[in-house]
Amino acid sequence: NAGVTQTPKFQVLKTGQSMTLQCAQDMNHNSMYWYRQDPGMGLRLIYYSASEGTTDKGEVPNGYNVSRLNKREFSLRLESAAPSQTSVYFCASSERTSGFSYEQYFGPGTRLTVT
Amino acid sequence: EDKVVQSPLSLVVHEGDTVTLNCSYEVTNFRSLLWYKQEKKAPTFLFMLTSSGIEKKSGRLSSILDKKELFSILNITATQTGDSAVYLCAVEAPPPGFGAGTTVTVRA
Repeated sequence: NAGVTQTPKFQVLKTGQSMTLQCAQDMNHNSMYWYRQDPGMGLRLIYYSASEGTTDKGEVPNGYNVSRLNKREFSLRLESAAPSQTSVYFCASSERTSGFSYEQYFGPGTRLTVT
Repeated sequence: EDKVVQSPLSLVVHEGDTVTLNCSYEVTNFRSLLWYKQEKKAPTFLFMLTSSGIEKKSGRLSSILDKKELFSILNITATQTGDSAVYLCAVEAPPPGFGAGTTVTVRA
């Protein structure tokens, strides 16, 4: 099992460019999440998908969009990148049954720099 | 607004010392509290706590939850340099919300 995979690992964008971060999990988990991590701020939730076919905003959704393509894949899109979006992005997945979520498994992260 | 607060933000100890990390929370729909360890890459799961007063243990690490006072502690005994990491607390409300983390540095 590969667990949670993310692509790319590193990316440099110019202000105004767009890009999509890809995430896939092979653990048959229902729930998937996108976080950003900035120094001293822990993990902040951008968007999540509690189950296939649903997506919800997290704490910091502005400037991002997501697509739950199928049960395995959850992508994050930056339509017009800004320097404030320079961060490390983590995708995660977890099992969810009867409204209860279990521990999350994280991908290796994408280091994004916007100049 | 849900809040998860960890303290201290950082600490430095010597090998063999005992470390106690705190996580307090204010959330409206508590389901569980989870601890993760992050060593310069992705966080990895340590414990999930749902009931008050039941200690979870794994080797030199242990954790307990107090749902009345709304906090959890993570203890690390006989620390080793390999325990150096950021320890993250998350509360599933849902969805999960993370604290800022505690950076633990263990010196040889």
